[in-house]
Amino acid sequence: QSALTQPPSASGSPGQSVTISCTGTSSDVGTYNSVSWYRQHPGKAPKLMIYEVTKRPSGVPDRFSGSKSGNTASLTVSGLQAEDEADYYCSSYAGNNNLVFGGGTKMTVL
Amino acid sequence: QLQLQESGPGLVKPSETLSLTCTVSGGSISNTDCYWGWIRRPAGKGLEWIGTIYYSGSTYYSPSLKSRVTISLDTSKNQFSLRLSSVTATDTAAYYCAGTNFYYMDVWGKGTTVTVSS
Repeated sequence: QSALTQPPSASGSPGQSVTISCTGTSSDVGTYNSVSWYRQHPGKAPKLMIYEVTKRPSGVPDRFSGSKSGNTASLTVSGLQAEDEADYYCSSYAGNNNLVFGGGTKMTVL
Repeated sequence: QLQLQESGPGLVKPSETLSLTCTVSGGSISNTDCYWGWIRRPAGKGLEWIGTIYYSGSTYYSPSLKSRVTISLDTSKNQFSLRLSSVTATDTAAYYCAGTNFYYMDVWGKGTTVTVSS
């Protein structure tokens, strides 16, 4: 069982917005602003999409946004595109030099 | 541009030690701004952080794997390595190395698949 809880699947039509949740505890997501999100296409390496809850690395479209409320972080993908079909993972610092990941969410573009 | 590449055996026998190396190019492994990490993804499961090392040699390991993991640096070769002892079938996974600031991984290797089987 993963430390962070994500829905196993999410879906939307092209152009729509989809939000993926990532629920942790007061020991990780709820305390630290060190939540990151990764996108992984089949057979490829994960790619950093969001870090420090809301920040986008250079080159990541502004269609991707992050937020946090209490023990739950969220990733919103706006203007859904075919290339967004992938697995998405959240991660959080959990204190004591420990990192935890979510179980992953499979995003389907209908 | 920083690039990372994993290498090592694709098949390891149960109870033996898994050994992987990550070769860093386009930057120095002695960069004081960068940590170096290992992450894995078992088939059909999510990502799992294994551990991280700093240029100074300080290491940080997942509590669930700590008793079996060793991560080390070879600055002369610009490489860092992972050793996971007493492997079982549950250690079968795609293994990734990454450049990180500790809290998030911003550069990833392409990954290498390791199967534990006799």
